[in-house]
Amino acid sequence: EPEVTQTPSHQVTQMGQEVILRCVPISNHLYFYWYRQILGQKVEFLVSFYNNEISEKSEIFDDQFSVERPDGSNFTLKIRSTKLEDSAMYFCASSGDGDGETQYFGPGTRLLVL
Amino acid sequence: AQSVTQLGSHVSVSEGALVLLRCNYSSSVPPYLFWYVQYPNQGLQLLLKYTSAATLVKGINGFEAEFKKSETSFHLTKPSAHMSDAAEYFCAVSLVNTGKLIFGQGTTLQVKP
Repeated sequence: EPEVTQTPSHQVTQMGQEVILRCVPISNHLYFYWYRQILGQKVEFLVSFYNNEISEKSEIFDDQFSVERPDGSNFTLKIRSTKLEDSAMYFCASSGDGDGETQYFGPGTRLLVL
Repeated sequence: AQSVTQLGSHVSVSEGALVLLRCNYSSSVPPYLFWYVQYPNQGLQLLLKYTSAATLVKGINGFEAEFKKSETSFHLTKPSAHMSDAAEYFCAVSLVNTGKLIFGQGTTLQVKP
């Protein structure tokens, strides 16, 4: 069964460093998402991406964040200058359609900013 | 703005007992509703979803949920709990014409032998 994969599974970085989280969505999906879950809190929407552009983003998704689909298979989330409060589990998801369609989630990348 | 509230951050049941996990939503227009499950060290897996067809929705692993518009609820049930059901369960809502999911805070289900 096709699945969404994410790398790395864990990342530790120093405050102020740039990190890139990688995702490989399901191959025939068209809509891509990033969510995050700070420890002990709810899963929060960050951004959705369709047709090579951001379709929606949350207030959390400020200028520090960017997304890219560099090669037609990968979908990346870049955090330019990490802060302590960026420590969280980051989930990538993809769906075949944006409207009520099931989103398939990857296993997540646990980011720890020191 | 839409939101989701899950009543009870922890629910504990005995094996074989009824599972009831509560979810209430707030939305100005009919939403799409989802239940996801997260097993330790894994991603979120869809259990079931409501997209304006039948109000009683059956999902995987014997779970089902009923959409009740009058109560703005979408509670998840399973007649008989199994040890393997122990996990975290998330209710989520999305509106028509937007894909983003808004999650509740999650409910941890513990199943006792």
